[in-house]
Amino acid sequence: QKEVEQDPGPLSVPEGAIVSLNCTYSNSAFQYFMWYRQYSRKGPELLMYTYSSGNKEDGRFTAQVDKSSKYISLFIRDSQPSDSATYLCAMTWGTSGSRLTFGEGTQLTVNP
Amino acid sequence: DTAVSQTPKYLVTQMGNDKSIKCEQNLGHDTMYWYKQDSKKFLKIMFSYNNKELIINETVPNRFSPKSPDKAHLNLHINSLELGDSAVYFCASSQATGRPSTDTQYFGPGTRLTVL
Repeated sequence: QKEVEQDPGPLSVPEGAIVSLNCTYSNSAFQYFMWYRQYSRKGPELLMYTYSSGNKEDGRFTAQVDKSSKYISLFIRDSQPSDSATYLCAMTWGTSGSRLTFGEGTQLTVNP
Repeated sequence: DTAVSQTPKYLVTQMGNDKSIKCEQNLGHDTMYWYKQDSKKFLKIMFSYNNKELIINETVPNRFSPKSPDKAHLNLHINSLELGDSAVYFCASSQATGRPSTDTQYFGPGTRLTVL
């Protein structure tokens, strides 16, 4: 069983839709949760970072963590074609060089 | 002004060859990483170096040998390349601050390795 499960999609939505991306994890030691965005043929870039359970908002993006259910989500409001990318959840138990464990990534296409 | 750079961007080679991928970061970070991303986009860590010292060494064949000549460079040498080594290899770096919000890993653009 993978430590982090993420539906690879692909997910296709019309412009303006609300997108929900999710990951579940099995290792309760994970404390820090991240969402990375990866455009085609580029390296991943950090989009959102969360630590505690609850919501964190940044513009059109909201990251949600539920540690009791071992479930994290990323919501994208008013999705744009420029949001078309692969979204990877990642998590770690510590800092200072701790390894990130990634989900498989969800490929998202926002159609104009 | 590239933060994390990798060379080459593309690498096509025959089975059995030995090849190297170079990584450099100009962010002043003290920790560098190598990740492998397979055809299904699954990104998995291979190695991590902190101040030139190996701190993470996942279950990777010993044909893969990282080398960190200084804090700003982490190279990956691969001996006797196999078909299954075909993937995109990403270098990343971070600064160990002890504060999770600033221990962000910054990724390079990737090296697409194809073994024929």
